[in-house]
Amino acid sequence: AQSVTQPDIHITVSEGASLELRCNYSYGATPYLFWYVQSPGQGLQLLLKYFSGDTLVQGIKGFEAEFKRSQSSFNLRKPSVHWSDAAEYFCAVGAGNQFYFGTGTSLTVIP
Amino acid sequence: GAVVSQHPSRVICKSGTSVKIECRSLDFQATTMFWYRQFPKQSLMLMATSNEGSKATYEQGVEKDKFLINHASLTLSTLTVTSAHPEDSSFYICSASRGAKMNTEAFFGQGTRLTVV
Repeated sequence: AQSVTQPDIHITVSEGASLELRCNYSYGATPYLFWYVQSPGQGLQLLLKYFSGDTLVQGIKGFEAEFKRSQSSFNLRKPSVHWSDAAEYFCAVGAGNQFYFGTGTSLTVIP
Repeated sequence: GAVVSQHPSRVICKSGTSVKIECRSLDFQATTMFWYRQFPKQSLMLMATSNEGSKATYEQGVEKDKFLINHASLTLSTLTVTSAHPEDSSFYICSASRGAKMNTEAFFGQGTRLTVV
């Protein structure tokens, strides 16, 4: 069965510091992988996606993610966090015609 | 990216009444639309998948008679919460996909906050 695990429920970083949000998945075939961001009371915005090809994917707002098949991971990174990055982040696997979401990581950015 | 509009963004209704939520793809034809429910501080739970012109496929545990989904056109899907109760209060989000396969991405609406009093 497909599943997505985001081990960190909540992360706090200082503005300007680097960020890495972890995501592990379980899927029998090559997955389609996504990272979404959700601001309070809002829908989801796509940050980046991986379908195939280069395993390092660049997204919007300075985010990137790396697909590591051997580790079944798709971690999200940003070299320097801005206060506006505070939000909820969801990793998702596309399998068949459905999405499976992780439980999310809440990011707090302190000045 | 493509735009999905969800309406209303907030709704308060009395217990026992029905509420309809609309999800529209504004600039593309959505072969498939998804409806999710999100509890506070939790992830999105897929409720159902709907393809234009056919019956929705509901996830296990989701009452199809309570959560009526209609996908009458390639740009509109509706979710009707029938005989709403306070426990139905939640954040409902729709998404729309261009294709039938997951090599296309899904675009999300801004969500609807339903409060049943």
